[in-house]
Amino acid sequence: QQQVKQSPQSLIVQKGGISIINCAYENTAFDYFPWYQQFPGKGPALLIAIRPDVSEKKEGRFTISFNKSAKQFSLHIMDSQPGDSATYFCAASRWAIYYGGATNKLIFGTGTLLAVQP
Amino acid sequence: EAQVTQNPRYLITVTGKKLTVTCSQNMNHEYMSWYRQDPGLGLRQIYYSMNVEVTDKGDVPEGYKVSRKEKRNFPLILESPSPNQTSLYFCASSLSPRAGELFFGEGSRLTVL
Repeated sequence: QQQVKQSPQSLIVQKGGISIINCAYENTAFDYFPWYQQFPGKGPALLIAIRPDVSEKKEGRFTISFNKSAKQFSLHIMDSQPGDSATYFCAASRWAIYYGGATNKLIFGTGTLLAVQP
Repeated sequence: EAQVTQNPRYLITVTGKKLTVTCSQNMNHEYMSWYRQDPGLGLRQIYYSMNVEVTDKGDVPEGYKVSRKEKRNFPLILESPSPNQTSLYFCASSLSPRAGELFFGEGSRLTVL
């Protein structure tokens, strides 16, 4: 059961343009929303993250916009550069109970392959 | 250098031949996890471990085993690999399950013929 839906599957943007990737979630128990960036041959790496008590977070050219009522969040990459070409995963995290206590369960979207053309 | 190290990075094996993918982290992290990455399906959690001797199933645990005898190591065991386990596997660790940020290894590409 896919609990975090990510779109588009792939995206081509011209250098200097804005890249926008969208994610939607269903479970209102999610309380942490990170974005991971993955270059070919590498593992994902945390790019930026937001908690639901704020509507926007900006780090350099990367911005997360969060809409709690719509249960949607998006990544905006301003002034996109060829070096931003990578796969981007959104994720959502919630507490999950297991036999010994609780853990933070991170659920990933299906990924967006971004290509920034020079 | 803080890192998560996986071995092997690439492996081709045959159906039924037991294999182990090792994972080691040097950050003294309590939380470790295994994911598999498949096209169109994103990253799906296989198993995770809260600490030494504490492991639990993720979303797709069938056909896999894990152990956590030492804090730094979290091997993934495929007792009898099948072709549907052909995938890209990632080990990840975190300071604590609440810390949020996962540190990933560089991946192990497994092909089961």
